[in-house]
Amino acid sequence: EDQVTQSPEALRLQEGESSSLNCSYTVSGLRGLFWYRQDPGKGPEFLFTLYSAGEEKEKERLKATLTKKESFLHITAPKPEDSATYLCAVRPIIQGAQKLVFGQGTRLTINP
Amino acid sequence: DVKVTQSSRYLVKRTGEKVFLECVQDMDHENMFWYRQDPGLGLRLIYFSYDVKMKEKGDIPEGYSVSREKKERFSLILESASTNQTSMYLCASSLLSLGQAATQYFGPGTRLLVL
Repeated sequence: EDQVTQSPEALRLQEGESSSLNCSYTVSGLRGLFWYRQDPGKGPEFLFTLYSAGEEKEKERLKATLTKKESFLHITAPKPEDSATYLCAVRPIIQGAQKLVFGQGTRLTINP
Repeated sequence: DVKVTQSSRYLVKRTGEKVFLECVQDMDHENMFWYRQDPGLGLRLIYFSYDVKMKEKGDIPEGYSVSREKKERFSLILESASTNQTSMYLCASSLLSLGQAATQYFGPGTRLLVL
């Protein structure tokens, strides 16, 4: 069964304190891995798509990396506005389906 | 910019009522999706549609139906609302891709409370 596990469930950092969020996945085959940011009471906002092991994407203080078993979202010198829940999702290779499998998310809090 | 809109941000309904949630996207996307999001359970797919009048069941379709009469609009219908359908409902859309996965873009969500 396709599965996505994110860790930690929650992370509290001081402003400027860099860290990484983990997304481990088991799928029969990977068509893509997605990272989203979700603020309380709002819909997920797209951040990155990664397609193959070794790929990296960057946006401001965020950098996403991908291996054959996991992805990391690195946050460098975070600011309070980076506080949100970060969701990871994978698109497995399933013929005829377009669905994503989501992890439970990591709730990130950045204290000033 | 991709824009996905949902008809209501908050909705309060009574048990047994028929409830319609509407979603509209403006990017000519073939695929549209309905998810629900609950604490501890994450996002779960209810239904998706890959073309007008086409639909497929997701992981939790029981108690729901959908309608897609126009490409840009996808409706979720709760035939007879129950308290266990209290949740955050999220609509998403994406291009149809047979190769690499296409990005799903989400709407702002509808928080539904069934009393």
